[in-house]
Amino acid sequence: GDSVTQMEGPVTLSEEAFLTINCTYTATGYPSLFWYVQYPGEGLQLLLKATKADDKGSNKGFEATYRKETTSFHLEKGSVQVSDSAVYFCALKVAGGGNKLTFGTGTQLKVEL
Amino acid sequence: DTAVSQTPKYLVTQMGNDKSIKCEQNLGHDTMYWYKQDSKKFLKIMFSYNNKELIINETVPNRFSPKSPDKAHLNLHINSLELGDSAVYFCASSSTGATSTDTQYFGPGTRLTVL
Repeated sequence: GDSVTQMEGPVTLSEEAFLTINCTYTATGYPSLFWYVQYPGEGLQLLLKATKADDKGSNKGFEATYRKETTSFHLEKGSVQVSDSAVYFCALKVAGGGNKLTFGTGTQLKVEL
Repeated sequence: DTAVSQTPKYLVTQMGNDKSIKCEQNLGHDTMYWYKQDSKKFLKIMFSYNNKELIINETVPNRFSPKSPDKAHLNLHINSLELGDSAVYFCASSSTGATSTDTQYFGPGTRLTVL
């Protein structure tokens, strides 16, 4: 079946540090890949996405590149801010799956001053 | 303007009771979903409806019954609540077909606590 594996959290960084959250996947078909973010007390919001190999999704300074050869979609940001503190979810969707999103377990990020 | 709204935001109830959670979206989407997020933040899809038709029904106990009276609403009724039903339930919506942006929009969640 389809699955997503994310690095365990929490990840604690100082402001302006470099962020990487690892994500790898297993899919029965050719997936689209997503990063969603959940701020405290809120629902999830799409952060970025990529639909085919070598595509790079980017938004708000975050980036992730769809690497088919390593089945990975790692999230990166060059300089994190306190406002980036949230839970980050990697997810995939396979065509013909009824638009079902399969999520990783989420990685909590805490950014301190 | 709230895109995907859920009521109630918090729900505390006793074991064995029956409760409903309502969801409405004003985005004109044709597909709606229910997800369950457990205490460890793990998210799993429960159901999805497309134009009021059930599309996805994961291995969810039949005590859970979704109902979609129209494209803009997807409600979740839960019978005989159990302790293990305590979780945050998220509604989401998206457009499919030619207008799809591949993005699901989530509601703020309903925190259900079963005592």
